[in-house]
Amino acid sequence: QKEVEQDPGPLSVPEGAIVSLNCTYSNSAFQYFMWYRQYSRKGPELLMYTYSSGNKEDGRFTAQVDKSSKYISLFIRDSQPSDSATYLCAMVNTGGFKTIFGAGTRLFVKA
Amino acid sequence: DADVTQTPRNRITKTGKRIMLECSQTKGHDRMYWYRQDPGLGLRLIYYSFDVKDINKGEISDGYSVSRQAQAKFSLSLESAIPNQTALYFCATGTSDTDTQYFGPGTRLTVL
Repeated sequence: QKEVEQDPGPLSVPEGAIVSLNCTYSNSAFQYFMWYRQYSRKGPELLMYTYSSGNKEDGRFTAQVDKSSKYISLFIRDSQPSDSATYLCAMVNTGGFKTIFGAGTRLFVKA
Repeated sequence: DADVTQTPRNRITKTGKRIMLECSQTKGHDRMYWYRQDPGLGLRLIYYSFDVKDINKGEISDGYSVSRQAQAKFSLSLESAIPNQTALYFCATGTSDTDTQYFGPGTRLTVL
């Protein structure tokens, strides 16, 4: 079993839809949770970062962590074609030792 | 200027050739990483370095070697390239507290 599981998609939604991207994990030592966005032919870039459980909002993006269920989510409101990219979840254990990345979910937002 | 740069951006080589991919950073981070990315397999860690004197193997280090010439420079070598090393290669730096990573633009390597 992988430490981090992420549905690769692809996920296709119409413009303006609410998008939900999810990851599950098995290691309870993970304390830092990130979402990276990767456009085609580009390197991943940090989108959101949260520590421990709870929600964090940044504009149209909300990151949610449920440590009891070992489940994290990224919500995108009012999705735009420019949001079309691959979204990778990432997790780091206590002490920031090393990051484990999910495989990435490919998102298409249709105009 | 970009914080993490990679050279070359594209490379086509033949089986058996030795090649080197180079990475430089201006973020001042001690941690540096090399990943490869293949369709459907996500990012796979090849090697990582937490400071100039520290080099560690990742999950897929066979057939690769690295050199950390300075805090800002981390090179990846393929001693004898083979076709299944055809992939997109990324260098990244990481912060020491949370390991937040910053990626370069990638090198697209094709081994014929």
